[in-house]
Amino acid sequence: DVKVTQSSRYLVKRTGEKVFLECVQDMDHENMFWYRQDPGLGLRLIYFSYDVKMKEKGDIPEGYSVSREKKERFSLILESASTNQTSMYLCASRGKWTGGYEQYFGPGTRLTVT
Amino acid sequence: RKEVEQDPGPFNVPEGATVAFNCTYSNSASQSFFWYRQDCRKEPKLLMSVYSSGNEDGRFTAQLNRASQYISLLIRDSKLSDSATYLCVVNQAGTALIFGKGTTLSVSS
Repeated sequence: DVKVTQSSRYLVKRTGEKVFLECVQDMDHENMFWYRQDPGLGLRLIYFSYDVKMKEKGDIPEGYSVSREKKERFSLILESASTNQTSMYLCASRGKWTGGYEQYFGPGTRLTVT
Repeated sequence: RKEVEQDPGPFNVPEGATVAFNCTYSNSASQSFFWYRQDCRKEPKLLMSVYSSGNEDGRFTAQLNRASQYISLLIRDSKLSDSATYLCVVNQAGTALIFGKGTTLSVSS
């Protein structure tokens, strides 16, 4: 059974804190993604990675960074959390870049920044 | 112009109804197409891929019209458990999947 796990389901942080969101997949997938999802805005891609130590900016990378030191792990970092980063964060992985390959999501981390 | 557009709904239908969702995409070079389902407070999950010839999975039928850049999902005999948000998803070569904002379906008894 395929699995993408995220380190926390719920997280509350204060403005200015550094926040780490961890994601692990056990499918040996090359491609991993971080999204945020907000009401009315849908899923928005923050960063993605197509290989270890490789990263690419998505549509809304400002205020975020990522790290991929191992194939199975992709971390999202909020360098200095702000209230407008309160959101649901979803990690995903996918085996191949194109074609009919399914993208699997983690259960999400609901982050609140106060 | 948004890359993948869907009617956000909500679509409110009674059990047993047939409901159709539509989606348009802007890039004619798009290669793969999907419908994902997202339950409230859950992650999106693949419902079905969409093939050029159209495909069916039980009560669900997906259609693709490349000339019009249009994708549809038909749900027959709606069940309460079909209540969810349905995301239209498009894949172009060399890019991440592009998700529509979703169409919300509410099936009532």
